[in-house]
Amino acid sequence: DQQVKQNSPSLSVQEGRISILNCDYTNSMFDYFLWYKKYPAEGPTFLISISSIKDKNEDGRFTVFLNKSAKHLSLHIVPSQPGDSAVYFCAPTNFGNEKLTFGTGTRLTIIP
Amino acid sequence: DVKVTQSSRYLVKRTGEKVFLECVQDMDHENMFWYRQDPGLGLRLIYFSYDVKMKEKGDIPEGYSVSREKKERFSLILESASTNQTSMYLCASSLSGLNYGYTFGSGTRLTVV
Repeated sequence: DQQVKQNSPSLSVQEGRISILNCDYTNSMFDYFLWYKKYPAEGPTFLISISSIKDKNEDGRFTVFLNKSAKHLSLHIVPSQPGDSAVYFCAPTNFGNEKLTFGTGTRLTIIP
Repeated sequence: DVKVTQSSRYLVKRTGEKVFLECVQDMDHENMFWYRQDPGLGLRLIYFSYDVKMKEKGDIPEGYSVSREKKERFSLILESASTNQTSMYLCASSLSGLNYGYTFGSGTRLTVV
């Protein structure tokens, strides 16, 4: 039972364009959402997060949007750069819950 | 530079062997976690620990056990390795209560033949 789904296993985007990665979840109790980025042969690293009291959080080239009624969040990267090529995982949780539930991941490839 | 260190980057073991994967963190974090990463399945939680000698099952604990005798060290044990345990294993740690997310190790690629 996959509570968190990233329906695009892979995505290719031209350098300089916008990359949009999507994440859907089923558990309505989730109220805090994180995105992680993973390069090959390295552990995932924290990228950006959003609380359920917001619908948007921005950090430089990265913006996360949250639609709680649709149980959907998305990560926008603009402009996309070759160094953004990695696997991206969304990870919803609840405040006070130490566990993260990770999505299935999306492999993003930025084409120079 | 704070970190989570996994003792082996690559391991090859035979079916039926007992396998130990070691993880050490130097951040004085209370929480430690073991995940495995498989294509199309993302990261799935095997076991986690909130404190020394405490452990709780994650989503896929079958075939695994863990040990946490010291705060900084969390070991994952495959009692009798099987080919379906071939995977990338990732250890992580976090500070309780802040919800700032995890710090991960670099992973151990385990192949069971």
